[in-house]
Amino acid sequence: DAGVIQSPRHEVTEMGQEVTLRCKPISGHDYLFWYRQTMMRGLELLIYFNNNVPIDDSGMPEDRFSAKMPNASFSTLKIQPSEPRDSAVYFCASRRGEETQYFGPGTRLLVL
Amino acid sequence: DAKTTQPTSMDCAEGRAANLPCNHSTISGNEYVYWYRQIHSQGPQYIIHGLKNNETNEMASLIITEDRKSSTLILPHATLRDTAVYYCIVRVFGTGGFKTIFGAGTRLFVKA
Repeated sequence: DAGVIQSPRHEVTEMGQEVTLRCKPISGHDYLFWYRQTMMRGLELLIYFNNNVPIDDSGMPEDRFSAKMPNASFSTLKIQPSEPRDSAVYFCASRRGEETQYFGPGTRLLVL
Repeated sequence: DAKTTQPTSMDCAEGRAANLPCNHSTISGNEYVYWYRQIHSQGPQYIIHGLKNNETNEMASLIITEDRKSSTLILPHATLRDTAVYYCIVRVFGTGGFKTIFGAGTRLFVKA
């Protein structure tokens, strides 16, 4: 299995632009998670899905952030408009049922 | 909030065993203890997990006290490549199942 796949691996954009991060979970996994990591706040859980349905989005920082999961093999995290304070590493993770959770390599986002 | 407490940092000599402690005094009877590590901003990597019995795999051993209020991750022969942040996690039960909340972890420095 290829593991959790994220794209792009790096993204540099200017303030005010829309940013879309993508994730392909491990095949057969029914949970998908989005995390954000910064030096100041560590690893934060933003939102997670079960069977493509958002379950808990209490970690989403504000309305500029949105996440979708149109099918079992694809999810997006969108920031519109982006701000410099959104600069971070964004991780996607997936798991099957209550089994072990596996992480992708992350997307490093820099908003200028 | 994370349900575990760990030392901020630890040192270990290369080739020696690294013993990383974790306190989880509020753990419930059916909650597992998970360990992940993160090497220099890569995605967190699963190491091992356990419920109440000691566990061993190719990466590490996990020793859980009888009252389950603490555990120790053991890397039997630490190498320089084991330098990383190690996270001890007890998953939190949320609306749609367990979610993995990360604390600050222990930064392990393996020295030559």
